[in-house]
Order: sequence, then structure tokens, then C-alpha cells
Amino acid sequence: DAGVIQSPRHEVTEMGQEVTLRCKPISGHDYLFWYRQTMMRGLELLIYFNNNVPIDDSGMPEDRFSAKMPNASFSTLKIQPSEPRDSAVYFCASSLGVGWGINPYEQYFGPGTRLTVT
Amino acid sequence: GQQVMQIPQYQHVQEGEDFTTYCNSSTTLSNIQWYKQRPGGHPVFLIQLVKSGEVKKQKRLTFQFGEAKKNSSLHITATQTTDVGTYFCAPSRSNDYKLSFGAGTTVTVRA
Repeated sequence: DAGVIQSPRHEVTEMGQEVTLRCKPISGHDYLFWYRQTMMRGLELLIYFNNNVPIDDSGMPEDRFSAKMPNASFSTLKIQPSEPRDSAVYFCASSLGVGWGINPYEQYFGPGTRLTVT
Repeated sequence: GQQVMQIPQYQHVQEGEDFTTYCNSSTTLSNIQWYKQRPGGHPVFLIQLVKSGEVKKQKRLTFQFGEAKKNSSLHITATQTTDVGTYFCAPSRSNDYKLSFGAGTTVTVRA
């Protein structure tokens, strides 16, 4: 398997613009997670899905952030409008789910999208 | 989520020496995972600890879960340059896939 795929790998945009980050989880994984990593705040969970349904979005910072998972193989994280403080590395991760494999809770991270908002 | 404190924040180690990083919680943890992130990379799963007092080894890495399930440790023996990176502990509640990552211990190695 190719692992978790994220695009783009780097994004530079101006304040006020809409940004869309994309993620393709590992095939067969039931859970998908979006994280944000900064020096100041560390690695924060934004939202996670189970079988395409959002389970916990308490980490989503503001209404400017939204996430969707229209099918089992694709998810997006959208920021509209973007602000300089949104600059961070955004990771997508997926995990199998209970009943599958030795470590169903193990999360597989994608390579991340480095977002810079100027 | 469950908050944990990782100490030390930074660890500078001479190649060949041993070191330990700790993950402490004020509340009882159900289980805990450890991840490693190389500079410029993404977190990679290392281990999951579930049972009180559990000890697991991976080559030069030894992971331990405290008897009270309020702390965990990672001990690395004979440190190598390949051990460079940030080590995160990430506890979760029982049957909950949500992880709360600690701030991490960033390890550098002097050759």
C-alpha cells in the first residue's frame, strides 16, 4: 500500500484566500484524523471520522475551518478565509478500527502539508 | 483530552550513552502509544501499552507503563545517530481512537 497520501505537500497563499487540503487514507481503514502541528501548540487533533462520519470536531479552531469525508477514500480540510496564524503543518492519519489487525488503534500518518499564509 | 507532561523537552545525548524520557499524567490512563518523528518527517507509531506495569522491548528501546497507569517511559540504550528525532507519548481513553499527544522529547545525538 502507498500509505496515507496528502496533497499538496506545500501551499503558500495570501491572507483571505481559501485553502483546501486533501487526504487519501489507507484502503480499508475506518478512521481518519486531521492534525495540525506548530512549534507553539504542538500536535493538535482537529477532527476525526469513523466510516466517513465526523465523530469529534472539538479541536476545530474556528468556523473558518471545515472538513468533509464524502467517501472512504477521500477527505478534505478547508480553511476559508485563511489567516497568517493558520500557518502550520497539517497531517492526515488513518487507522484500521477495532477487530482488525494487532494494533487497530495504531495511526498511520501522511507526509503532511506545510501551509504558509502570508 | 487527557493531558500529559513529557520530560525532558530536549535531550542531548553522546552517541553510545543511554537515556530515558518520561510521560506523566495526573489521571489514570487507559492505554498509551508512543510515536517517533524524524526532523522534517511525520509521526511514526512505535508501540502501544495497555496493561499496568507492562514492559515492551524493541531492540534498544524499552517502553514501560507504570503500575498505577499514570506514567510511562521510554529508555534507549547505546544511542545511535538514527535515534535523532522527537518522541511523543499519546494516551487515549478506553475504546476511544482520539489521541492527545504530549509536547514530545526532542533528541539530538553527539557523534
